[in-house]
Formats: sequence, C-alpha cells, structure tokens
Amino acid sequence: SYELTQPPSVSVSPGQTARITCSGDALPKQYAYWYQQKPGQAPVLVIYKDSERPSGIPERFSGSSSGTTVTLTISGVQAEDEADYYCQSADSSGTSHVVFGGGTKLTVL
Amino acid sequence: QVTLKESGPVLVKPTETLTLTCTVSGFSLSNARMGVSWIRQPPGKALEWLAHIFSNDEKSYSTSLKSRLTISKDTSKSQVVLTMTNMDPVDTATYYCARVIVVVTAIPEYFDYWGQGTLVTVSS
Repeated sequence: SYELTQPPSVSVSPGQTARITCSGDALPKQYAYWYQQKPGQAPVLVIYKDSERPSGIPERFSGSSSGTTVTLTISGVQAEDEADYYCQSADSSGTSHVVFGGGTKLTVL
Repeated sequence: QVTLKESGPVLVKPTETLTLTCTVSGFSLSNARMGVSWIRQPPGKALEWLAHIFSNDEKSYSTSLKSRLTISKDTSKSQVVLTMTNMDPVDTATYYCARVIVVVTAIPEYFDYWGQGTLVTVSS
C-alpha cells in the first residue's frame, strides 16, 4: 500500500526555521496537504495544494514541493507551534483513497 | 459556521459492531464540492483515513478495513453514519469526522473542517 514518510521528530529553538519533510512516490503527481495537531485537539489544515495557506494561518507557515518530497517550513518558530504535523495526499492519480504520513513531532526547545 | 459533531458509544465489547454518527451544520451533504470522511487516531499514533461519502452517494473505503466498514448519509438530517463490524481492542481510537473538499466528483482533496473527535474504547 502507498505510504508517506515523515521524520518522527524535529527540534528547533524559538525564532529558528523548522523544516518537516514528507516523501512519497506519487507526490510528483498529487498535491500534498499539511495539518497541525496539538494535544487533545483535532487537526487543523495549515497548507493545501503543496504551498497554499488557508486564511487565518500565519505567514510563517509555508510549503514547497520537489520531486517525491514535500516540505513544510515554519519560519521564526514560536512556542505555540509545538505540535504534531501530518502530511496527507491521495494514493495515486484518479483515486479517492487518502493517505496520511506517520506524523512529525515538532519540539520547540 | 461549519461544524461537525461525532456521537456514539464510548465503550464497545470485542466482536460488537460500532455505529458512529456525524451531525453537520453550516453546509449541505448535497453540495457537490464537499463530502464527509471518517478518520481515526489510536492513542499516541498517527491519523488513519477510513471512509468517504460524497454528495452523489458514492462511497470509498480504506482497502485494509473495507470488509468491516459501511458509510451512509441522511441528507435531510445532515447526518453521516459509519458502522464498523467485529470490533477489536486494536480499534481503540479517537474517531473523527471531517468535511472533505472535492476537486471533481468523488475525488477528494483535503479536510478543511473536523469534528472534535470521540474516543471509542474496545474492551470486555
């Protein structure tokens, strides 16, 4: 079955830049989406269509894509950004099946 | 204002069937640009997509759980129901319903609104 691979954890100090990657063979053909999940809360969409930011999401959140890897970048990380981040995509072109990455715990030191 | 709210049992026994209801407001289940999905998350683990249902009543299921899942909707009641048969302790998880944005009929893009989730524990 199709998988999206994320690093289990990323740590940065406040004010630094955090980069979280997500790899998958279908990513060159499928958009990726990113969700932030804080403890005890439902996920929140922070990036859609690889690099678009929903209204209300701070500008420090951005996304990019290169080949089979997409990257969520958080510039000027703040303590409130500490959370789990999940990437999501479709498992192949034309399918209605969705897959999530394993999640990355962002720790703000 | 778009909201989704899950309801159902908090505890089920092994082998029983789980029935969860998602009641939505702020949008219609007949809107062709949207559908409703179920996603679960075992404690401390990752999100797992389970099923979608779309405005034209087309359904899609996770390959690994397809034999155990049924999704349906009642547009007049603004409700989507998920049943999962033969529950096992490994099915213990928080179950979320979410609105899925559709790019073309029955092809999902992303989840823009989520319910608060409901924790279901499977134990005898």
